[in-house]
Amino acid sequence: GQQVQQSPSSLVLQEGENAELQCNFSSTATQLQWFYQSPGGSLVSLLSNPSGTKHTGRLTSTTVTKERRSSLHISSSQTTDSGTYLCAIDLTGYQNFYFGKGTSLTVIP
Amino acid sequence: DPKIIQKPKYLVAVTGSEKILICEQYLGHNAMYWYRQSAKKPLEFMFSYSYQKLMDNQTASSRFQPQSSKKNHLDLQITALKPDDSATYFCASSQDLGGRDTQYFGPGTRLLVL
Repeated sequence: GQQVQQSPSSLVLQEGENAELQCNFSSTATQLQWFYQSPGGSLVSLLSNPSGTKHTGRLTSTTVTKERRSSLHISSSQTTDSGTYLCAIDLTGYQNFYFGKGTSLTVIP
Repeated sequence: DPKIIQKPKYLVAVTGSEKILICEQYLGHNAMYWYRQSAKKPLEFMFSYSYQKLMDNQTASSRFQPQSSKKNHLDLQITALKPDDSATYFCASSQDLGGRDTQYFGPGTRLLVL
């Protein structure tokens, strides 16, 4: 079965609005990372957050390990935030990541 | 300067042929990985290497063979290519295999098998 489920599958926002992306996973994860995939396909790590809350810039991730869920909050969205946001978990502790299908975000001016 | 180089960027191959995908990282990392992303499936983990040794293989087919000639190189040889192998192949690296190190991804090689 699918290890990582992300919601919503797609999201359209007006520039300046906030986004809330969800990630649920089926097994205990030793590591959780959020990635951004640009429309061109390149992948960038945004945050590593296996538990608790972490901030970087306009991004805030909260992971509740016991409930096997994580969220990514994007504040004051910009058109350049458009792309796909991927949640990935490591079940083994050896960096073998399982990815979700992603949330496709479109920010319109 | 790009820290993880993948070559070629695009690759078209015929069914049954063999190709090698190149990956070099200049981050000084000890662990390297291959992932595959096709239109039908999420990004899938394929292999992990640490200090040039295979640590994990989640690829069912022996047609996929990683090759590490240097610590910062991890190439991927694919033999007897099939149309289902069409995908973008991403190389990644992290400081070490265990722990909570961030993984960094290369730009990918888009493979199309006709």
